[in-house]
Amino acid sequence: DVKVTQSSRYLVKRTGEKVFLECVQDMDHENMFWYRQDPGLGLRLIYFSYDVKMKEKGDIPEGYSVSREKKERFSLILESASTNQTSMYLCASSSRGGYSYEQYFGPGTRLTVT
Amino acid sequence: GENVEQHPSTLSVQEGDSAVIKCTYSDSASNYFPWYKQELGKGSQLIIDIRSNVGEKKDQRIAVTLNKTAKHFSLHITETQPEDSAVYFCAASIRTGGYQKVTFGIGTKLQVIP
Repeated sequence: DVKVTQSSRYLVKRTGEKVFLECVQDMDHENMFWYRQDPGLGLRLIYFSYDVKMKEKGDIPEGYSVSREKKERFSLILESASTNQTSMYLCASSSRGGYSYEQYFGPGTRLTVT
Repeated sequence: GENVEQHPSTLSVQEGDSAVIKCTYSDSASNYFPWYKQELGKGSQLIIDIRSNVGEKKDQRIAVTLNKTAKHFSLHITETQPEDSAVYFCAASIRTGGYQKVTFGIGTKLQVIP
């Protein structure tokens, strides 16, 4: 079974804090993604990575950065958290090759910035 | 970029009835259309998908149809059961290089009333 885990299910941070969200997958997937999910907006892509140390901006990268030092781990960083970053954050991974395009999602981290 | 619209945003059906969720997309280059089910406290899971060279696909009580000319695709759930209650996301995907650029709809909250 593919497993994507996220470091926290719930997180409360103060405005201005630096926040790290960690994601780990155990299927040797090349691609990893960070989305945020907001009511009425669906899932929006923040950043993705198709290889170690590689990253690409998604649709809403402002205020975020990412790090991928190892293949299995993809971190999302909020350099200075703001209240408009209160959201559900979802990590996903997928294989690069073969037939399957399926993305496997983690359970999500609900972040509240006060 | 790609734009995916999903309707309705909420849907209530009686147990045993059918449920239909509709999506439209804008980029004719999109070639893969997955549907994800998100249950409370769980990660989103792929439930069915369809490629652009196929018009319809069925898996037990779930079916998806694709009309490339009109750029719309739909999810059909027959004989609904309470465990079908969840948020459903459609997506349109373009495979570029080694990864797929996926754009999600806003989600449909389906409630199956026993």
